[in-house]
Amino acid sequence: EADIYQTPRYLVIGTGKKITLECSQTMGHDKMYWYQQDPGMELHLIHYSYGVNSTEKGDLSSESTVSRIRTEHFPLTLESARPSHTSQYLCASSEQGLHYGYTFGSGTRLTVV
Amino acid sequence: GQSLEQPSEVTAVEGAIVQINCTYQTSGFYGLSWYQQHDGGAPTFLSYNALDGLEETGRFSSFLSRSDSYGYLLLQELQMKDSASYFCAVDPNTDKLIFGTGTRLQVFP
Repeated sequence: EADIYQTPRYLVIGTGKKITLECSQTMGHDKMYWYQQDPGMELHLIHYSYGVNSTEKGDLSSESTVSRIRTEHFPLTLESARPSHTSQYLCASSEQGLHYGYTFGSGTRLTVV
Repeated sequence: GQSLEQPSEVTAVEGAIVQINCTYQTSGFYGLSWYQQHDGGAPTFLSYNALDGLEETGRFSSFLSRSDSYGYLLLQELQMKDSASYFCAVDPNTDKLIFGTGTRLQVFP
């Protein structure tokens, strides 16, 4: 079944640690996105990619980086985690055209202590 | 820039009809989308309006009026499972969605 997977589901780490949030999709979508969402709040775009070797920063300033070496894989890395990074991170992918909508992963809930 | 405003919370009873509004300020966009998100869950795509007018999908309908900078999601025959947050979103001609502030819908028995 085509889907989009995020790991880990929950993560608690100490300040200063480097972490990578994983996102993979099996739908062959070229477009992938990372959003940050605090509980009950709106989603903010932090990174996006239109295909392999394509990455762009979103509207929300972020201290994270992304890579897109393979179509199906779009990991997000925080080089040095801080308490202000505590949030939920949602990965999404889409086909060409918005008629089909975005498919979101289940998210990673990150807590930095 | 773009901003999409929604009411923060709406309440209704089972079987009722509820309308969730979305007003926006943006210089231009391809269309208006709606997403549903249950607590602790991922947003799921509900509908997309590329053109002005009403789009119906089962119990849910979505409306767009570009001249009024306004859209809404209409939920009919409300069920308890419809309790969730609902987000409108636009694509400002850049193929990446900008989401609204979100509306929390609570359905009571």
